[in-house]
Amino acid sequence: AQTVTQSQPEMSVQEAETVTLSCTYDTSENNYYLFWYKQPPSRQMILVIRQEAYKQQNATENRFSVNFQKAAKSFSLKISDSQLGDTAMYFCAYYTGTASKLTFGTGTRLQVTL
Amino acid sequence: ETGVTQSPTHLIKTRGQQVTLRCSSQSGHNTVSWYQQALGQGPQFIFQYYREEENGRGNFPPRFSGLQFPNYSSELNVNALELDDSALYLCASSSNGYNEQFFGPGTRLTVL
Repeated sequence: AQTVTQSQPEMSVQEAETVTLSCTYDTSENNYYLFWYKQPPSRQMILVIRQEAYKQQNATENRFSVNFQKAAKSFSLKISDSQLGDTAMYFCAYYTGTASKLTFGTGTRLQVTL
Repeated sequence: ETGVTQSPTHLIKTRGQQVTLRCSSQSGHNTVSWYQQALGQGPQFIFQYYREEENGRGNFPPRFSGLQFPNYSSELNVNALELDDSALYLCASSSNGYNEQFFGPGTRLTVL
């Protein structure tokens, strides 16, 4: 079974600084997708960034980028120029078409401070 | 374009009762997935519906059931509620064959 592990329950970063959130996963599949979702106190799960496993190039979305290491089964999220609005729970998630479902990690609570 | 909506926002039930949660999928999406998110945890997959048929199910008992309608909206029904069913229930819609899922704001269910 696929599992997703986020080993950092909580992190804090100062505004304008850079922070990296860690995620590892376990799978025997070769074709899959990885996601980072953000869940602010409003509870709405918002997609931050996605990565296709068959692509070697790391995905980037404005201030958000990932470091995808397929052999190590590692998928970290880097947030540059952190903003107060980045304060939220961040979930790493795995998807494969054979299961048609997202498997989530336990989340990392990120606090951005002044 | 209308996003995913869920109703109600909050719900309080007592143990043994039954509950129905509703979800309207995003325009153009034909697939709906339901997740249960206990406090302090990541969402857990309950099941998925595609074109009114169940298309995958997680490790949840049969008292969790669902329905999808011709307009692709969906219901989640839970019978014989237990205290551990207290959670945030999230609905997500997507287009079949595409992995990106768009989430609704969730329904907070409290079982007393």
